[in-house]
Amino acid sequence: QKEVEQNSGPLSVPEGAIASLNCTYSDRGSQSFFWYRQYSGKSPELIMSIYSNGDKEDGRFTAQLNKASQYVSLLIRDSQPSDSATYLCAVNGKNGNQFYFGTGTSLTVIP
Amino acid sequence: DGGITQSPKYLFRKEGQNVTLSCEQNLNHDAMYWYRQDPGQGLRLIYYSQIVNDFQKGDIAEGYSVSREKKESFPLTVTSAQKNPTAFYLCASSSRDRGNSAEAFFGQGTRLTVV
Repeated sequence: QKEVEQNSGPLSVPEGAIASLNCTYSDRGSQSFFWYRQYSGKSPELIMSIYSNGDKEDGRFTAQLNKASQYVSLLIRDSQPSDSATYLCAVNGKNGNQFYFGTGTSLTVIP
Repeated sequence: DGGITQSPKYLFRKEGQNVTLSCEQNLNHDAMYWYRQDPGQGLRLIYYSQIVNDFQKGDIAEGYSVSREKKESFPLTVTSAQKNPTAFYLCASSSRDRGNSAEAFFGQGTRLTVV
């Protein structure tokens, strides 16, 4: 079983819609959760971090964490063509020494 | 500007040749990481280091070597023992001061191709 799993997509949404990206993790002791955006040919860029159960909002982005279900999600409101990228979910293991990444979900926002 | 610098951006390796990828950070981060990214496989950890003069193998360390002689630098050598080295290599760092809450920040990556 992989440490972090994501639907690879591709996910397509029309401009202005809400994009919903999902991630599950296997280590129940994980404490920190991150979402990165990666444009084609570029390195990952941190967009959200979340540490407690519930929602965390930053502009058009909302991260949701449910530790009981071992589930973390990212909502992108009012999606823009510039949001088209691969989104990577990452989890910091319980010993804090390693970051585990999912394979990423490819998002395309259609104008 | 604070950040992580990887060089070169593109690197070509001949069969049987060792090559070294550079990673330098001026963020004063203790922890540094090397990942390999292949299409459709996400990021896989090669090596990581929490402090100077100490490093640990990740999931795919075979055919790679690292050193951590300075806090700022964590070079990765891809040896001839690595049979399929063509990939996108990413260096990252994080602060141990924030424990498990620390985010990882990435350099711009090195794309290595075997010719």
